[in-house]
Amino acid sequence: DGGITQSPKYLFRKEGQNVTLSCEQNLNHDAMYWYRQDPGQGLRLIYYSQIVNDFQKGDIAEGYSVSREKKESFPLTVTSAQKNPTAFYLCASSRGGTNQPQHFGDGTRLSIL
Amino acid sequence: QKEVEQDPGPLSVPEGAIVSLNCTYSNSAFQYFMWYRQYSRKGPELLMYTYSSGNKEDGRFTAQVDKSSKYISLFIRDSQPSDSATYLCAMGGFDSSYKLIFGSGTRLLVRP
Repeated sequence: DGGITQSPKYLFRKEGQNVTLSCEQNLNHDAMYWYRQDPGQGLRLIYYSQIVNDFQKGDIAEGYSVSREKKESFPLTVTSAQKNPTAFYLCASSRGGTNQPQHFGDGTRLSIL
Repeated sequence: QKEVEQDPGPLSVPEGAIVSLNCTYSNSAFQYFMWYRQYSRKGPELLMYTYSSGNKEDGRFTAQVDKSSKYISLFIRDSQPSDSATYLCAMGGFDSSYKLIFGSGTRLLVRP
């Protein structure tokens, strides 16, 4: 079955530690996205990538980094500079083009130890 | 003012009721509109996708877009307890990027 796989499902971060969230898709989609979801605030865009080896900052990129070395993969690193990382992180993908819907993985819940 | 406004609820209805979920928006450049359903601890699932104004029906779900009023709706007929979830509206096509703007979601509870 085609889809988007996020791992791990739950992740704990210690103070001063960087952690990396995995996102893999086998939908052959060109574009991939990372969102953060906090209660009552909806989805906020962290980074997005429209093509391999290229990515752009979203609305809340500070304290996060990404890479897009393969079409299928778009990992997100939450750095120690992100002072409030506790949230539900969602990865999405879409076909190329401005009129394509996005399809989501089942998320990673990150908490601080 | 947020670009997309959505009542957070919760909206509680009895099984079998017709449910109406709504979003208003301020950016007249939005061209296409989506509704997602999100169960607890899961990712959003695409329910409906519409382009410009008009209605679209899929089974028990009807999506309605009124661009003149900057208002979109999702109707659920014969609601079931399994419809209990958070419903997110999303909008895009306002620029050359692939970005979507999401509402904050309405929590729906369908009572047996």
